[in-house]
Amino acid sequence: SQQGEEDPQALSIQEGENATMNCSYKTSINNLQWYRQNSGRGLVHLILIRSNEREKHSGRLRVTLDTSKKSSSLLITASRAADTASYFCATANFGNEKLTFGTGTRLTIIP
Amino acid sequence: NAGVTQTPKFQVLKTGQSMTLQCAQDMNHNSMYWYRQDPGMGLRLIYYSASEGTTDKGEVPNGYNVSRLNKREFSLRLESAAPSQTSVYFCASSDRGIAYEQYFGPGTRLTVT
Repeated sequence: SQQGEEDPQALSIQEGENATMNCSYKTSINNLQWYRQNSGRGLVHLILIRSNEREKHSGRLRVTLDTSKKSSSLLITASRAADTASYFCATANFGNEKLTFGTGTRLTIIP
Repeated sequence: NAGVTQTPKFQVLKTGQSMTLQCAQDMNHNSMYWYRQDPGMGLRLIYYSASEGTTDKGEVPNGYNVSRLNKREFSLRLESAAPSQTSVYFCASSDRGIAYEQYFGPGTRLTVT
């Protein structure tokens, strides 16, 4: 069953621009995570934000969480060609603490 | 460290054939997982092992079996492959439990004809 739904499904931007992806979910969460997947590869964990946190930074990544709206956003600043990948949000739900993955946003950075 | 490794990388099976997907991790993690990834579906959990000696069903366990051979290795078996099992299979591990950061292998692309 899908919990996280990413928006948009696909995004193309020029190198150097900022990229923003959104994730919405349905039930209360323990934490929300973002992963990156390069074509033909496994997923790589980027960042975890707990339900009592509102914002978190890691290098060029900024994640926000709004539990009242049940949504999160991932901002990648000063994008690079190497950021071209699919990005997935995953939620860990209270009472059923398994990770549930969304369907992903495919990001293309145009050099 | 190799992290999480999976074999084989690619496999083609005929309907009804069986095979075992192998997974190993060298990070001394307690928990290991098997997911499948299908277009437009995201990743879905097949089985997981919270610790050596335990296994539990995930969201889509039908048609699969697993073995946690030791702390390092977690295998996934298809006893009688079906075309609906055509997918990319990922193994993952974590040291803090299923709700936290997971480390993924490179995947096995399986086609059942």
